[in-house]
Amino acid sequence: KAGVTQTPRYLIKTRGQQVTLSCSPISGHRSVSWYQQTPGQGLQFLFEYFSETQRNKGNFPGRFSGRQFSNSRSEMNVSTLELGDSALYLCASSPGGRGDHNEQFFGPGTRLTVL
Amino acid sequence: DAKTTQPPSMDCAEGRAANLPCNHSTISGNEYVYWYRQIHSQGPQYIIHGLKNNETNEMASLIITEDRKSSTLILPHATLRDTAVYYCIVRGAGNMLTFGGGTRLMVKP
Repeated sequence: KAGVTQTPRYLIKTRGQQVTLSCSPISGHRSVSWYQQTPGQGLQFLFEYFSETQRNKGNFPGRFSGRQFSNSRSEMNVSTLELGDSALYLCASSPGGRGDHNEQFFGPGTRLTVL
Repeated sequence: DAKTTQPPSMDCAEGRAANLPCNHSTISGNEYVYWYRQIHSQGPQYIIHGLKNNETNEMASLIITEDRKSSTLILPHATLRDTAVYYCIVRGAGNMLTFGGGTRLMVKP
């Protein structure tokens, strides 16, 4: 079974631009969560999508948004990039039932550098 | 979700058991203890989870105290490839994981 894939793996943007990152979950998984990892703040939850609906949201500004498609693939978008958005963006997938205690499988991440 | 406290770093000799402690004194009855690890800039990897009974899998053992206020992850025979940051997470319903600072485990030859 293929793992979680994220594209692109590396990205360089300049301040003020916007960026879209993509995540393909494990086949059959319906939940996709996004995390941001920075040296200063560590790993922080951005949001979770399940069946094309945002089910949970972390404490990030509205410049961070996401969506999920009917095939469970997900994208996240960051608009008006700031230097502080430079980070490793991780996607995790799981089967998805809210009450389930299934492990989440993480992808390799997209490393975004904002200049 | 309850907060966890872990030592920032630990060393372990290769081939010896690595015992990583975690305090979660505010854990509630329906919250599970999860352990993940992250090897340099890769995505976190699930290790094990438990509610109140001790658990064992091919990677590790999880020992949870009777009052559930603390737990220990045991890597029975640490190898150099086990060098990583280990995160203890207390998780309730839902898929949001709240990561703390973790423990940086250095396995030395």
